[in-house]
Amino acid sequence: RKEVEQDPGPFNVPEGATVAFNCTYSNSASQSFFWYRQDCRKEPKLLMSVYSSGNEDGRFTAQLNRASQYISLLIRDSKLSDSATYLCVVRDSGNTPLVFGKGTRLSVIA
Amino acid sequence: GAGVSQSPSNKVTEKGKDVELRCDPISGHTALYWYRQSLGQGLEFLIYFQGNSAPDKSGLPSDRFSAERTGGSVSTLTIQRTQQEDSAVYLCASSLGRDRAFFGQGTRLTVV
Repeated sequence: RKEVEQDPGPFNVPEGATVAFNCTYSNSASQSFFWYRQDCRKEPKLLMSVYSSGNEDGRFTAQLNRASQYISLLIRDSKLSDSATYLCVVRDSGNTPLVFGKGTRLSVIA
Repeated sequence: GAGVSQSPSNKVTEKGKDVELRCDPISGHTALYWYRQSLGQGLEFLIYFQGNSAPDKSGLPSDRFSAERTGGSVSTLTIQRTQQEDSAVYLCASSLGRDRAFFGQGTRLTVV
């Protein structure tokens, strides 16, 4: 099965900081990309889809670089409530399941 | 409710017993996934159903694990002769085709 790699962290940042996570994927034919967020002992929840042209949702910006096969997530003005594990998710072409990275843990500190 | 529903939310079983975990996907979702997550670990893919296609069972860790999806809706994951290493949270997700997936709250399985 194709891999999705993430830096496990933890990233410990102060409130208000800007933090960026990267994720690399091995299958150049991958077609769909997502960032999920998982709080401790909770199920993963979709944070945002990642589009080829890049996309923004409030303080969150996602970028896709197909040539280098990586996806990034930028969080601006970090809040305490952003503390969670961020999961990079890739779907290959065709009818294939979602492939999850192991996640990057973020702790935002007051 | 409108979300993915899993039952039971918690299950404690004795080693060697069989267990069945249930997932009710979001109505109309054609794709259904099972993952498991051990404490502090990432999501491990188990099995994937997409419409009427043959399921992708490549993630099932042993022949003690099986899953079915009846009528293109509800799915049951069965673990036979449970072992302690089967203890984990079993997560079900559904999606409409290749769109984003939504997760249930999971079943926490403890094998004692």
